[in-house]
Amino acid sequence: DAGVTQSPTHLIKTRGQQVTLRCSPKSGHDTVSWYQQALGQGPQFIFQYYEEEERQRGNFPDRFSGHQFPNYSSELNVNALLLGDSALYLCASSFLAPSRGSHEQYFGPGTRLTVT
Amino acid sequence: SQQGEEDPQALSIQEGENATMNCSYKTSINNLQWYRQNSGRGLVHLILIRSNEREKHSGRLRVTLDTSKKSSSLLITASRAADTASYFCATVWRGGYNKLIFGAGTRLAVHP
Repeated sequence: DAGVTQSPTHLIKTRGQQVTLRCSPKSGHDTVSWYQQALGQGPQFIFQYYEEEERQRGNFPDRFSGHQFPNYSSELNVNALLLGDSALYLCASSFLAPSRGSHEQYFGPGTRLTVT
Repeated sequence: SQQGEEDPQALSIQEGENATMNCSYKTSINNLQWYRQNSGRGLVHLILIRSNEREKHSGRLRVTLDTSKKSSSLLITASRAADTASYFCATVWRGGYNKLIFGAGTRLAVHP
């Protein structure tokens, strides 16, 4: 059973460019969350997707957008890249029980984005 | 801003010793979770403790939760060099739909 996978592993972009990161959730999971982790910091919540809709969003500008596909995989898009967007981007999947209780999240290995 | 705050920021111990990390948070929570991260890679879930629980064990890990003080602790007993990693607490607040709020983490170094 494959866990959470992310692609690419590393990415180097130039300021002003756009980037798309991809995530495939663990089998059986229907919810995908994205986190940004700057060097030496804890991950910060970007947004969460469930049933192909953004259900929650953290304190990130509209340059950050996402999508969830019918197979539950997800993309994170960042437009007009800034130097400060350099970070490890983590995808996490979970199963949203009908009771909406919280469950452990399974994280992917992350995508290291460097903006020059 | 991040809700969870870990203490200490860094911890250095010898193999065989116990390691204790503390976490404080600000709002009412549904549950609190601890994660481990090796060398800036993906996070590994260690343990989840719900707001109505006070203590939980998993192998060499022991987690306590004090909701009156809004704090939690993670104890790793008989540490091994392989336990060297960063440890994060993350809270899910009531109504948070499984959104994790992380602290800045504790960097643990276990020396052989």
